[in-house]
Amino acid sequence: DADVTQTPRNRITKTGKRIMLECSQTKGHDRMYWYRQDPGLGLRLIYYSFDVKDINKGEISDGYSVSRQAQAKFSLSLESAIPNQTALYFCATSDPIAGAQETQYFGPGTRLLVL
Amino acid sequence: GENVEQHPSTLSVQEGDSAVIKCTYSDSASNYFPWYKQELGKRPQLIIDIRSNVGEKKDQRIAVTLNKTAKHFSLHITETQPEDSAVYFCAASNQAGTALIFGKGTTLSVSS
Repeated sequence: DADVTQTPRNRITKTGKRIMLECSQTKGHDRMYWYRQDPGLGLRLIYYSFDVKDINKGEISDGYSVSRQAQAKFSLSLESAIPNQTALYFCATSDPIAGAQETQYFGPGTRLLVL
Repeated sequence: GENVEQHPSTLSVQEGDSAVIKCTYSDSASNYFPWYKQELGKRPQLIIDIRSNVGEKKDQRIAVTLNKTAKHFSLHITETQPEDSAVYFCAASNQAGTALIFGKGTTLSVSS
């Protein structure tokens, strides 16, 4: 879905470095999410945001931080990367109707390798 | 917190056979249950979803059934084709309706 984009698509970094993954969307959705995907563990929620003033922790937020710069932009930061943060990271958006959960639209993913 | 269990983790079928993937959830307040398909190297994409006020939903070769009493829901794919080979994820909405909790995924392989 070209309406949700992520940069970079691939990144190699070293232990201890700070990195930022960016997500942009043109769908006009208020809700944005960050997930990580590891083999055999599925998609695990890191953080989510319902608007620029609303940030919520997911099930695995330790070691991560986020920034919602605008309705269309949601960034994920690793303050001091460690090897077990090596994973595939997905951004997603949704537009709930009457507050109910709706379809989440995923970006193409960022493959991160921490050496 | 909310937990979603998905079985089996891998499933191999012959082309034309049916495939069934099952999920159970822990939070009785969950009311939205989507299924996502992720092809190799691609992003997850919604293939079908169901809400708690419906027991079954069909879309061509795929169907989802929901048993709220038992807190489980299933994905059924009939007449499988090689292009159905992918990882399938089930999910359930959390109690607050603010997020989805995903199962660990099922790798479906359809051989011709």
